[in-house]
Amino acid sequence: DTAVSQTPKYLVTQMGNDKSIKCEQNLGHDTMYWYKQDSKKFLKIMFSYNNKELIINETVPNRFSPKSPDKAHLNLHINSLELGDSAVYFCASSLGTSGIDTQYFGPGTRLTVL
Amino acid sequence: SQQGEEDPQALSIQEGENATMNCSYKTSINNLQWYRQNSGRGLVHLILIRSNEREKHSGRLRVTLDTSKKSSSLLITASRAADTASYFCATRNNDMRFGAGTRLTVKP
Repeated sequence: DTAVSQTPKYLVTQMGNDKSIKCEQNLGHDTMYWYKQDSKKFLKIMFSYNNKELIINETVPNRFSPKSPDKAHLNLHINSLELGDSAVYFCASSLGTSGIDTQYFGPGTRLTVL
Repeated sequence: SQQGEEDPQALSIQEGENATMNCSYKTSINNLQWYRQNSGRGLVHLILIRSNEREKHSGRLRVTLDTSKKSSSLLITASRAADTASYFCATRNNDMRFGAGTRLTVKP
């Protein structure tokens, strides 16, 4: 019944490794997002996809590559992990890209890079 | 860059009291939304106020918007311990921009 789910919930890994975080929504939404929340709780948008197409790509290192195999999934792959990548990553979805669309958030993935 | 900035950063009150949180932003917006985040959880949408609205109510929540001052406030009346959470404002123009949140603690 979970609307937006992410896996894994926790991810601890060494610097230099490559890792993926998966996100799935069962709300029938067309738009999905990835956000990064740092230790100071700032929530910053990274990417937005609408119907599997990239529509927002903030200034994010190209080590981060989102992949949307279908509109219900938006996965985040991170290459060559760095200490500064440690954060909580949230996936979200909304009905569309309309400004009044509410975003529904997943529970977050806490990434710790050692 | 961040858009909304919440004030105060942290607020501690007793159960039953009212809690007021403020949000300031920098550019023009289509709407402003407030979200709540419980510790270790994702954000949950609370209320949306459009740029042509000045006040909106939802249960114990009251939101105001002053576009001339580029500011909004969230009032939670008759607070409960379960209201303890971080509250974020998010402004919407082309995309959604969040502030760093106000950490609200309601003591029983």
